[in-house]
Amino acid sequence: DTAVSQTPKYLVTQMGNDKSIKCEQNLGHDTMYWYKQDSKKFLKIMFSYNNKELIINETVPNRFSPKSPDKAHLNLHINSLELGDSAVYFCASSQLAGASTGELFFGEGSRLTVL
Amino acid sequence: DAKTTQPNSMESNEEEPVHLPCNHSTISGTDYIHWYRQLPSQGPEYVIHGLTSNVNNRMASLAIAEDRKSSTLILHRATLRDAAVYYCTAGGTSYGKLTFGQGTILTVHP
Repeated sequence: DTAVSQTPKYLVTQMGNDKSIKCEQNLGHDTMYWYKQDSKKFLKIMFSYNNKELIINETVPNRFSPKSPDKAHLNLHINSLELGDSAVYFCASSQLAGASTGELFFGEGSRLTVL
Repeated sequence: DAKTTQPNSMESNEEEPVHLPCNHSTISGTDYIHWYRQLPSQGPEYVIHGLTSNVNNRMASLAIAEDRKSSTLILHRATLRDAAVYYCTAGGTSYGKLTFGQGTILTVHP
């Protein structure tokens, strides 16, 4: 039973299209995140939600819109896709939201390729 | 978040200990030091974290320098399954805001 699951795992699309990635966690955590990993393997936070409320938005273009219908789900919608959006997107969750977060649980990632 | 510096790669033999270093000279007093690892085509996996004292868990040990400007992840007996990219990150004071650098690619030889 996967703790943090993302769909789809692979996504290939054309520039200018709109796409969504879904994430669900069954760990009962209050906080969920979206991270982006680029081709050089740098992994950087994009958004953080705590109990369905946006906490962190790391200067991500407003073409990216996260939505949390409930605390177990955090979806990522991307409008007008650009070549530079090609990356692996990871969803994560944690029990605690502060410095002693301790452990982030990551999904397996969604590889987005924009042609 | 504090900037972290790690060697690009390290190698080890199976069953031997591995010491993975990390420098975080700009760390603040409230920043925790976290280590994650990432196997190919998988998401990062938590390894260990600490603030000031050395920490041990079933996966590894974390040795933190007294001035907290560096730390070392210790795998006591490397196995082939430990081959991964190991990320050191320092921060997280607000809602999991951790930035992972390039990490160290650990190769374990049989």
